[in-house]
Amino acid sequence: EPEVTQTPSHQVTQMGQEVILRCVPISNHLYFYWYRQILGQKVEFLVSFYNNEISEKSEIFDDQFSVERPDGSNFTLKIRSTKLEDSAMYFCASNSQKETQYFGPGTRLLVL
Amino acid sequence: GDSVTQMEGPVTLSEEAFLTINCTYTATGYPSLFWYVQYPGEGLQLLLKATKADDKGSNKGFEATYRKETTSFHLEKGSVQVSDSAVYFCALSDRGSNYQLIWGAGTKLIIKP
Repeated sequence: EPEVTQTPSHQVTQMGQEVILRCVPISNHLYFYWYRQILGQKVEFLVSFYNNEISEKSEIFDDQFSVERPDGSNFTLKIRSTKLEDSAMYFCASNSQKETQYFGPGTRLLVL
Repeated sequence: GDSVTQMEGPVTLSEEAFLTINCTYTATGYPSLFWYVQYPGEGLQLLLKATKADDKGSNKGFEATYRKETTSFHLEKGSVQVSDSAVYFCALSDRGSNYQLIWGAGTKLIIKP
């Protein structure tokens, strides 16, 4: 069964550094999403992406964040200058035709 | 805006007990409703879903019925197992929120042998 994959599974970085989180969505899906979950808290929507552009973004998704689909398979989330409060689990999801979103296993980001 | 409210956890039950985790929602349109499960150290897995009123989603012995009149989507299982220990998230998706998932806070379920 096809699945969404994410790399790395864990990332530790210093405050102020740039990080890139990578996702490979399910191959025939057209809509891509990033969510985050701060430890012990609710899952929060960050951004959705369709047809090579952002279709929706939340208040969390400020200028420090960007997304890109650099080729036909990868979907990346970049945080330009990480802050302590960016420490969280980041989930990528994808779907087709606005149906059920399928999630990757997540990347646990720790900012020191 | 749209929102999802879940009962707070943790919920602690003995094996073979009956489970109910309450979930209610507010939405401007006609949302699809979901239950996702997160096992310890793992990602989010779709457990079940319902896309219209009176639909019943079911999977792995879990069930939830989309109740428009009470705006609820309560998760139930007749006999829980230790392996059901996880965090359960209720979520909705609808046109009014541009199909992004709106999540409940999650309910941690602990099943004791």
